[in-house]
Amino acid sequence: KNQVEQSPQSLIILEGKNCTLQCNYTVSPFSNLRWYKQDTGRGPVSLTIMTFSENTKSNGRYTATLDADTKQSSLHITASQLSDSASYICVVPRGGYIPTFGRGTSLIVHP
Amino acid sequence: SAVISQKPSRDICQRGTSLTIQCQVDSQVTMMFWYRQQPGQSLTLIATANQGSEATYESGFVIDKFPISRPNLTFSTLTVSNMSPEDSSIYLCSVADRGQDEQFFGPGTRLTVL
Repeated sequence: KNQVEQSPQSLIILEGKNCTLQCNYTVSPFSNLRWYKQDTGRGPVSLTIMTFSENTKSNGRYTATLDADTKQSSLHITASQLSDSASYICVVPRGGYIPTFGRGTSLIVHP
Repeated sequence: SAVISQKPSRDICQRGTSLTIQCQVDSQVTMMFWYRQQPGQSLTLIATANQGSEATYESGFVIDKFPISRPNLTFSTLTVSNMSPEDSSIYLCSVADRGQDEQFFGPGTRLTVL
């Protein structure tokens, strides 16, 4: 069964701290993995797209990693800011453009 | 990147009525999708909106309940018919171009059914 599992379900950290979010997938065949940020009341916005050949990709304070052998990805946020409070969703397309969404990790950054 | 707008942004409706949600894209796109996001849940694909033909629905979603139109490459509508409180959700429009990995989402329509 094609699935995307994320952990933790929720996370609370202090401003300035780092954190790492996890994504495990069983979707096959694999083409790419995407991380989205969804602010409350907004649609998801893409942070990064990882293809099979990429191990690490950074976008500002966000760094995504991918291990295609173990089918795991992580999203590391450095020096968190209050504006990082959001839901972070891992997405893996199946059969072309039909994505499988994880449930997301709800991140709260406290001052 | 594509800029997507949705109307209405939110609505409160009575049980048994219908609501049509509009999705407008600022450029021609190959593929348009409609998603539902129930409270505390991830996104669930309702259907792929096909230009000039019937939408392709995912398991658990039917045309009578969620009729979709796509008259051109920049516009689509989703109707939530005969609503019940269980239809209370955020409904999101999304677009992608064939051959591109990126998928863009609209801001969503927050629907509350009383």
